[in-house]
Amino acid sequence: NAGVTQTPKFRVLKTGQSMTLLCAQDMNHEYMYWYRQDPGMGLRLIHYSVGEGTTAKGEVPDGYNVSRLKKQNFLLGLESAAPSQTSVYFCASRSGYSNQPQHFGDGTRLSIL
Amino acid sequence: GQQVMQIPQYQHVQEGEDFTTYCNSSTTLSNIQWYKQRPGGHPVFLIQLVKSGEVKKQKRLTFQFGEAKKNSSLHITATQTTDVGTYFCAAYMTTDSWGKLQFGAGTQVVVTP
Repeated sequence: NAGVTQTPKFRVLKTGQSMTLLCAQDMNHEYMYWYRQDPGMGLRLIHYSVGEGTTAKGEVPDGYNVSRLKKQNFLLGLESAAPSQTSVYFCASRSGYSNQPQHFGDGTRLSIL
Repeated sequence: GQQVMQIPQYQHVQEGEDFTTYCNSSTTLSNIQWYKQRPGGHPVFLIQLVKSGEVKKQKRLTFQFGEAKKNSSLHITATQTTDVGTYFCAAYMTTDSWGKLQFGAGTQVVVTP
């Protein structure tokens, strides 16, 4: 009963390094989302996908790229990490029916030094 | 555009007391969802309200959707230490067909024994 799995759970990067966060869901969900959460800021949408091979920008997309090559996986890439990208990153998924709840992963805690 | 405002941002409650958190929108919402995030955890879906004036209960939690479908409230009776966390309301954007969920900033609840 895995649901949404995020890898890694913790990571420390140096400024300028790149990395990829992986999100995998086993619920056959059409929609997948990447959020970042900063203290007092709530959840802000970075990018999202409405199906395999389709992605779109959210509220704060700059400095990030995404790919959805397989329906079950949604990758978030940091091209050149900056201290402002220090945050907790959450992946979520939901079914394609309208107004469905989102299921979240446990999050990735990322620190950029 | 559609925005979901949540108040208060922070709530300090004595164990056994009741409290209410509110969610307001300037536009009519198709539905409202509530999530709970425990400290160090991820958001977990609690409930969805769809109908005007709808009231739903989950044990000590009572959720209400306003008659005009522009506001919602979460009332917790006899608060317990297990109620600690941040409560988010969220609504799908009616102007967007891509399924983006608009989250409120959340109400952080601290319970004193």
